[in-house]
Amino acid sequence: AQSVTQPDIHITVSEGASLELRCNYSYGATPYLFWYVQSPGQGLQLLLKYFSGDTLVQGIKGFEAEFKRSQSSFNLRKPSVHWSDAAEYFCAVGAYSSASKIIFGSGTRLSIRP
Amino acid sequence: DSGVTQTPKHLITATGQRVTLRCSPRSGDLSVYWYQQSLDQGLQFLIQYYNGEERAKGNILERFSAQQFPDLHSELNLSSLELGDSALYFCASSVTGGAGTDTQYFGPGTRLTVL
Repeated sequence: AQSVTQPDIHITVSEGASLELRCNYSYGATPYLFWYVQSPGQGLQLLLKYFSGDTLVQGIKGFEAEFKRSQSSFNLRKPSVHWSDAAEYFCAVGAYSSASKIIFGSGTRLSIRP
Repeated sequence: DSGVTQTPKHLITATGQRVTLRCSPRSGDLSVYWYQQSLDQGLQFLIQYYNGEERAKGNILERFSAQQFPDLHSELNLSSLELGDSALYFCASSVTGGAGTDTQYFGPGTRLTVL
């Protein structure tokens, strides 16, 4: 069965510092991988997605993620965080064969230290 | 603003009651998805409709049902409500049924509180 693990429940980084949020997945075939962000009181917004091709994916708001098949990981990175990046981040895995069913990780809450 | 609208924003009701949540997808999107987000279960996929037909089913309870109407809006019906049904319910839409490849656009959610 497919699953997603986000090992960090809560991370605090200083404004201007770099960020890496971890995501590990378990899936038997080629996964479709997503990162979403949820700001307080808001719905989820897609940051980026990986289906195939270049393993380094660029997204919105200056985020990028790298797919590493050997490590079953899809970590999200940003070189310099802004106070507005404080939010909950969800990694998700989808499956081509399962008609759009997506499994979400438990989320990582990001706080920004001024 | 994703273009997906959900009503109502908040809903407070009692155990045993029935409620209906409504979702209007983005213009042109044919597929609607429903998700439940709770503290203990996290974000879970409930059900997907594509152009009026059920396309995929997730962890949806038998007390819950959904439908998509000819104008493509969708309703999620929750009946015999229990305290544990208190959660944030999201609707998302996408252009096609996209088998995992479509980008889903999420609405702001309906917060349901069961007392």
